[in-house]
Amino acid sequence: GAGVSQTPSNKVTEKGKYVELRCDPISGHTALYWYRQSLGQGPEFLIYFQGTGAADDSGLPNDRFFAVRPEGSVSTLKIQRTERGDSAVYLCASSLIVPQAGELFFGEGSRLTVL
Amino acid sequence: GQQLNQSPQSMFIQEGEDVSMNCTSSSIFNTWLWYKQDPGEGPVLLIALYKAGELTSNGRLTAQFGITRKDSFLNISASIPSDVGIYFCAGQRPAPLIQGAQKLVFGQGTRLTINP
Repeated sequence: GAGVSQTPSNKVTEKGKYVELRCDPISGHTALYWYRQSLGQGPEFLIYFQGTGAADDSGLPNDRFFAVRPEGSVSTLKIQRTERGDSAVYLCASSLIVPQAGELFFGEGSRLTVL
Repeated sequence: GQQLNQSPQSMFIQEGEDVSMNCTSSSIFNTWLWYKQDPGEGPVLLIALYKAGELTSNGRLTAQFGITRKDSFLNISASIPSDVGIYFCAGQRPAPLIQGAQKLVFGQGTRLTINP
């Protein structure tokens, strides 16, 4: 497809389990972002990749969260030992290397529910 | 995490009415952005503002970048049913060491409901 693709669209897991969320950005977009959106809130920045490297991971809440982008395209957000507070919609976005400010293209998100 | 103060939190209006919402921050931003999010979708950019005092229109939407660089407003004229959704303001601070970085700070959103 032409847009940012995220899988799974919904994930229900139990507390303590490991979760992976995948993002396939728009072809040719070198910048990739992960945001987290809790119910009734705006998205909160987690991490930003420029190519394969994490240029800014200052938004990751703790060391249970990790993201990779090994080939500079698809990215995986990994959450270890999930907690109920991790429940949220995880949004991925991509942009060109030098975008006009704000021209991030968001996916539909992966809704994570931790029971 | 830090968010912008966006108001009102929700609006219930009649179709055809004009809408106004705003966003304030204690910090200065270089860029202000307005997004719309429909249920089950990601945010979509509506308007981007790059200079203090700038007034920009996109169809029935008009947005302004406050002179102090700490606020912005969005107006929607003659609302129609498809305007229903959640509107988010977002600000961007400079990231001079990282070209293209788009570390945006979002407001809490304004939920717009339109009665036909």
